[in-house]
Amino acid sequence: EVQLVQTGGGLIQPGGSLRLSCAASEFTVSNNYMSWVRQAPGKGLEWVSIIYSAGSTYYADSVKGRFTISRDNSNNTLYLQMNSLRAEDTAVYYCARTPSGSYGLTFDQWGQGTLVTVSS
Amino acid sequence: DIQMTQSPSTLSASVGDRVTITCRASQSISRWLAWYQQKPGKAPKLLIYKASSLESGVPSRFSGSGSGTEFTLTISSLQPDDFATYYCQQYNSYGLTFGGGTKVEIK
Repeated sequence: EVQLVQTGGGLIQPGGSLRLSCAASEFTVSNNYMSWVRQAPGKGLEWVSIIYSAGSTYYADSVKGRFTISRDNSNNTLYLQMNSLRAEDTAVYYCARTPSGSYGLTFDQWGQGTLVTVSS
Repeated sequence: DIQMTQSPSTLSASVGDRVTITCRASQSISRWLAWYQQKPGKAPKLLIYKASSLESGVPSRFSGSGSGTEFTLTISSLQPDDFATYYCQQYNSYGLTFGGGTKVEIK
């Protein structure tokens, strides 16, 4: 069964750093476009970042220069390194896969989500 | 970034009702639009892509239409499992953006 299992998250002080992980099963992370999408408490969805199979990366303006998306091919895992965290980064973070074929930049498989709380 | 505006933000309906949700883009996105369903505490689920293509395994009571700047998601006969929040997403250009969501509640 295709699965994305997330780890990381928790309570962090403003200005701190945190790394989220997303381990994939039954498909290869490096062969797919992979994204991070977040959802602030009680709010809607916000795309954060994407990494292409070829390695190109893109970021939302709200996190550019602070967050870094990467992957470890040997562990079949996606990461999000979050630095200089702010209160407005508080959200549930989801990793998500873009399906191949004619789907475009949509998301067909999602992790279970992990809560990041930025607070002193 | 392209702004996506959904309406209504909340919708009260009964089982068996026909339900329509609208999503408007701030500029043309051709047909690069997806719809997701999200239930409380769960990840979103892809329903529709390319404005009207039904994702595999999604019931045929869900349908999508539109192009350019105006899109609709229709549920032909609302079922108990359909009470949830629905989001549109444009993927015409970065940053990828979602609508604010439409919560479908039990009337």
